Amino acid sequence: DADVTQTPRNRITKTGKRIMLECSQTKGHDRMYWYRQDPGLGLRLIYYSFDVKDINKGEISDGYSVSRQAQAKFSLSLESAIPNQTALYFCATSDPMRDAGELFFGEGSRLTVL
Amino acid sequence: QQQVKQSPQSLIVQKGGISIINCAYENTAFDYFPWYQQFPGKGPALLIAIRPDVSEKKEGRFTISFNKSAKQFSLHIMDSQPGDSATYFCAASIYYGGSQGNLIFGKGTKLSVKP
Repeated sequence: DADVTQTPRNRITKTGKRIMLECSQTKGHDRMYWYRQDPGLGLRLIYYSFDVKDINKGEISDGYSVSRQAQAKFSLSLESAIPNQTALYFCATSDPMRDAGELFFGEGSRLTVL
Repeated sequence: QQQVKQSPQSLIVQKGGISIINCAYENTAFDYFPWYQQFPGKGPALLIAIRPDVSEKKEGRFTISFNKSAKQFSLHIMDSQPGDSATYFCAASIYYGGSQGNLIFGKGTKLSVKP
């Protein structure tokens, strides 16, 4: 089983719908992240969490919210999806004290908003 | 000042050739420079990383060259193989408060190695 699991892997939805992307990890890391990948724009940080009680906005948090339900679970929500949120979304974890900040990514969730 | 600029956006190399991807940064406080490799349908994965106390690090066919004065670092892939075809991201971060900070990523380079 993958260390960082994202569900769903693919989702097509309509403008205005609420969408939740879920992430769970078995690496025991405290830090979790949500990134968005668009062609030519690289990886952009949406939100990150250093522990269950700590949530921080990243570079592009507008239109998104997150919930850290447990050390192992971090979900990303789009309250009212819009077409320009069509992208590939990645969850990642890290332990900066053990692995010099190496990020461990899930396999991604491809979201299409029509 | 937090940006990491990566070039080229895409690169086509013949099998056996050398692939070179370049990155530049402005923030002199950056002290950790990793490269991530991403295959289609997969998440990025750490390939190789360097700290500014050395000018070069080699792992197999992959080498990072680091020029602190020019604020540039590059990835060289020797004897490039079709299996190296992937998207490569450079990144940088700052160590502070007893731990490594968040990574700032370049925009990526799509490498295609032709047989």
